[in-house]
Amino acid sequence: GAGVSQSPSNKVTEKGKDVELRCDPISGHTALYWYRQRLGQGLEFLIYFQGNSAPDKSGLPSDRFSAERTGESVSTLTIQRTQQEDSAVYLCASSSTSGASPLHFGNGTRLTVT
Amino acid sequence: EDKVVQSPLSLVVHEGDTVTLNCSYEVTNFRSLLWYKQEKKAPTFLFMLTSSGIEKKSGRLSSILDKKELFSILNITATQTGDSAIYLCAGGSQGNLIFGKGTKLSVKP
Repeated sequence: GAGVSQSPSNKVTEKGKDVELRCDPISGHTALYWYRQRLGQGLEFLIYFQGNSAPDKSGLPSDRFSAERTGESVSTLTIQRTQQEDSAVYLCASSSTSGASPLHFGNGTRLTVT
Repeated sequence: EDKVVQSPLSLVVHEGDTVTLNCSYEVTNFRSLLWYKQEKKAPTFLFMLTSSGIEKKSGRLSSILDKKELFSILNITATQTGDSAIYLCAGGSQGNLIFGKGTKLSVKP
């Protein structure tokens, strides 16, 4: 596609439920990133995939968070047993290489945990 | 620990003013410094800087990197209300991109 696509755009869930967020990167982009942005805050790194290398999971805040990527395409971010503090916008970005190329961001998924 | 610090955190100016946004970084295996503009949703790319002392310009926006002092500035001249946004700075290494908290710029008519 022309850009990074994320779905759903908005998600409201009850505390304790699991949620799955999806990201379709730009075709051909080998690097894929997930960030979290709380209201009025900067971007908080969560996880990074580069090709077939082991992902950098150093930013995942707890073991309730996990992410997968199928080859160099779709990625899903899963949050288990959601908490109110998980409410944020989850942004996905992709780039053609890592670190030395601009990231192209999707419009994000706004997650609200009630 | 890698970090990127932006200042000021927020700024209110009037149309026509010139503003300078600051970004300092400590990033292991640093490769590039990026600036993004975030209005409502997705941050949009402004500049990527890899070499010291070479100014990049795009219209009224310009940016420069100092790799010795580990900082970058983003200048906006003749500001317009459409420049109101959060400006994000990020330091890139071989993998991760570390973002600062952003500078919220408000341009009043």
